[in-house]
Amino acid sequence: AQTVTQSQPEMSVQEAETVTLSCTYDTSENNYYLFWYKQPPSRQMILVIRQEAYKQQNATENRFSVNFQKAAKSFSLKISDSQLGDTAMYFCASCKNQGGKLIFGQGTELSVKP
Amino acid sequence: GAGVSQSPSNKVTEKGKDVELRCDPISGHTALYWYRQSLGQGLEFLIYFQGNSAPDKSGLPSDRFSAERTGGSVSTLTIQRTQQEDSAVYLCASMQDRLNTEAFFGQGTRLTVV
Repeated sequence: AQTVTQSQPEMSVQEAETVTLSCTYDTSENNYYLFWYKQPPSRQMILVIRQEAYKQQNATENRFSVNFQKAAKSFSLKISDSQLGDTAMYFCASCKNQGGKLIFGQGTELSVKP
Repeated sequence: GAGVSQSPSNKVTEKGKDVELRCDPISGHTALYWYRQSLGQGLEFLIYFQGNSAPDKSGLPSDRFSAERTGGSVSTLTIQRTQQEDSAVYLCASMQDRLNTEAFFGQGTRLTVV
């Protein structure tokens, strides 16, 4: 079965500091994709970062980077220099290659404090 | 439009009534997903359409829920004999399967059953 687990329901961080959100997953696929999505209070889901499982290099998008540990099936998100606008729910998700169910974790509510 | 469009944005219905929720995906996107999000919770997978293949209905919570996708484009999620526990935000997303780049989400339909 394809599952995604986020064990941190809530996190907080001071503005300008760094925070790491955890995610573990389980899949029987050899080729798959992992995602982090952000959902601010507006409810609009926004893609933060995407990782292809066959790539060993960790994906990076400006202040956002991931630590992808394939053997451990771990996919954590690091947010550097946190900004007030980063306050949102963050969801980890997985999808097999070439289409398939896109499965989400339970989410982590991140609060960035001034 | 350029994005995923869902209608209505809000729907209040009486217990026992049927409701239809509509999703217009991005043109050319072969994959379409429906999710249910209860207040402060994660995204619960409901159903997945991929091209002309039979849909993956494994997430539908009961036989009161059904969905169709006509002509590989617009999708309708129907809930029959609504119950109060059906109250949630229903999110639709579309993705270009072969690229697995990103699932684009609509703003969702907030359903309230009174």
